[in-house]
Amino acid sequence: AQSVTQLDSQVPVFEEAPVELRCNYSSSVSVYLFWYVQYPNQGLQLLLKYLSGSTLVKGINGFEAEFNKSQTSFHLRKPSVHISDTAEYFCAVSDRYSTLTFGKGTMLLVSP
Amino acid sequence: GAVVSQHPSRVICKSGTSVKIECRSLDFQATTMFWYRQFPKQSLMLMATSNEGSKATYEQGVEKDKFLINHASLTLSTLTVTSAHPEDSSFYICSAISGTTDTQYFGPGTRLTVL
Repeated sequence: AQSVTQLDSQVPVFEEAPVELRCNYSSSVSVYLFWYVQYPNQGLQLLLKYLSGSTLVKGINGFEAEFNKSQTSFHLRKPSVHISDTAEYFCAVSDRYSTLTFGKGTMLLVSP
Repeated sequence: GAVVSQHPSRVICKSGTSVKIECRSLDFQATTMFWYRQFPKQSLMLMATSNEGSKATYEQGVEKDKFLINHASLTLSTLTVTSAHPEDSSFYICSAISGTTDTQYFGPGTRLTVL
């Protein structure tokens, strides 16, 4: 069985400040890891994914995440956020490429 | 990029009626589609996996007779909520896997409100 823990339900941050959204997972097998963003009343958009290879993954909109196997983490980072980054962010894990298990989400609130 | 559409985007219905939600992959073929349900301020919960030409696989606790899924073609899957009740009110999201890119793309969601 797999699970995903997003430690923060809400992260407030000022515009142009750096941000880190935390994600920890548990799985008994090799994992694939994902971060998705959801804007209000919309579906999910893939930010980035880790399948194998380099542990530092770069995604869209200036986001990046680092896979840390020893700490079972896949934290999402952005060095400078914009107002438009305000959204819900979901971390997800899969033991094969298709079926995803999602975390509860972290609401990123960017204020001027 | 690959696009997945859902129709309708919003639907309000009376208790006891049935509602059909369509999920289409617009520019790619999807042998596998997924249906999720999302309650307010909560995560997505997988309801079922829909495979073209075969019966859907439902997650534990999801009533297959209540949530009918049909994957009639490589670009269309439908979810029918039968005899809807207020507790079925939710945000339903579908996703589709592109066989070419092996990536899961999500639809924009359908907001169902049952009165």
